Amino acid sequence: EAGVAQSPRYKIIEKRQSVAFWCNPISGHATLYWYQQILGQGPKLLIQFQNNGVVDDSQLPKDRFSAERLKGVDSTLKIQPAKLEDSAVYLCASSNNRSYNEQFFGPGTRLTVL
Amino acid sequence: AQSVTQLGSHVSVSEGALVLLRCNYSSSVPPYLFWYVQYPNQGLQLLLKYTSAATLVKGINGFEAEFKKSETSFHLTKPSAHMSDAAEYFCAVGQTGFQKLVFGTGTRLLVSP
Repeated sequence: EAGVAQSPRYKIIEKRQSVAFWCNPISGHATLYWYQQILGQGPKLLIQFQNNGVVDDSQLPKDRFSAERLKGVDSTLKIQPAKLEDSAVYLCASSNNRSYNEQFFGPGTRLTVL
Repeated sequence: AQSVTQLGSHVSVSEGALVLLRCNYSSSVPPYLFWYVQYPNQGLQLLLKYTSAATLVKGINGFEAEFKKSETSFHLTKPSAHMSDAAEYFCAVGQTGFQKLVFGTGTRLLVSP
């Protein structure tokens, strides 16, 4: 089966600009996650969707970050405006809710904010 | 709340030597535990998982981990390191009924010839 797809793979922007990342989960996976991975740290959950509803967005900086999962399939994560500290890898993962929380990860988008 | 502690941000071994990466967890309920590996510029790939079926879990690429409830540990081992094992390794904890994982800070494994 096809894995989790993400685009773009790399993005360089200046601070105060906006950026969007796209994720297409594994077919049939109801749960979708966005993580932020800062260099030298483990992934930190930003938001979790169950189908097209938000389950957990407690660590999403809502003043600048937004995410949506229309139709319960692919998802978009947006940052507006970006700050220097947003430089990180943004990972998308999906789960079929039947594998003991096992999550399947995409390759990530590396964001550099200058 | 659940948490994971990975001791040692970097571990260096020689090719052919034993690999031991440490993970301790904190959980108020029986946990599910995972080890993921991340190669440069790639996403995370599942190595193995503990879901209460057996305390010794075997994963891909010759890795295994043992769940020790008394020590709240889930250390990752491999008898003989290979150059291709050089990567970042993450331990994660989850719990039944919740589709969320908490990750440790990771351990970078360096393998020298």
